[in-house]
Amino acid sequence: DTGVSQNPRHKITKRGQNVTFRCDPISEHNRLYWYRQTLGQGPEFLTYFQNEAQLEKSRLLSDRFSAERPKGSFSTLEIQRTEQGDSAMYLCASSLVRDTFFYEQYFGPGTRLTVT
Amino acid sequence: QKEVEQNSGPLSVPEGAIASLNCTYSDRGSQSFFWYRQYSGKSPELIMFIYSNGDKEDGRFTAQLNKASQYVSLLIRDSQPSDSATYLCAVNKNSGGSNYKLTFGKGTLLTVNP
Repeated sequence: DTGVSQNPRHKITKRGQNVTFRCDPISEHNRLYWYRQTLGQGPEFLTYFQNEAQLEKSRLLSDRFSAERPKGSFSTLEIQRTEQGDSAMYLCASSLVRDTFFYEQYFGPGTRLTVT
Repeated sequence: QKEVEQNSGPLSVPEGAIASLNCTYSDRGSQSFFWYRQYSGKSPELIMFIYSNGDKEDGRFTAQLNKASQYVSLLIRDSQPSDSATYLCAVNKNSGGSNYKLTFGKGTLLTVNP
């Protein structure tokens, strides 16, 4: 399978615990994005990486959230001290950007987080 | 004004009919436009993208873009029950930093009745 992969697919955690999600993008893609989607809403942008550099973070990404892409390949999204409001589907997408031309974003299957 | 607006639906069409999904956007600087299909409990799947004014056809799908009216639409011909899903319109705002993030509408729920 050469698509975007995410792990775990589901995560149930208790309020106050830390969780970490992983995303493996399509291998030749240099851009990696994280989005969050709640019921009845479209995905909302959280942050993105160009290779290993994190270039923008949404105001939705509070101090409890951190994302890394250490070698420009896979990325992790960590949520510390989870709250019930963090319950959502966390989506990773990747794309290729070359010579200022933007190619389409492809999404992974998502990680569904439930905070109890 | 919301950045990307879609009718939430549900839009119900009989099998074999044409389904028409509409989307408007507020930022005139928007450059790229995408339609994603999302089945319940699944992630968005890219089905069409369009960059230039006019029509773009791919199989049973046609995307239409009118930048002057800030309007993009998706037509699905010969609708099948398997097309029943939420259709998300997404817009790329190349906002200074060239981050190419997508801004999504809330989606339109399409139901195709056998």
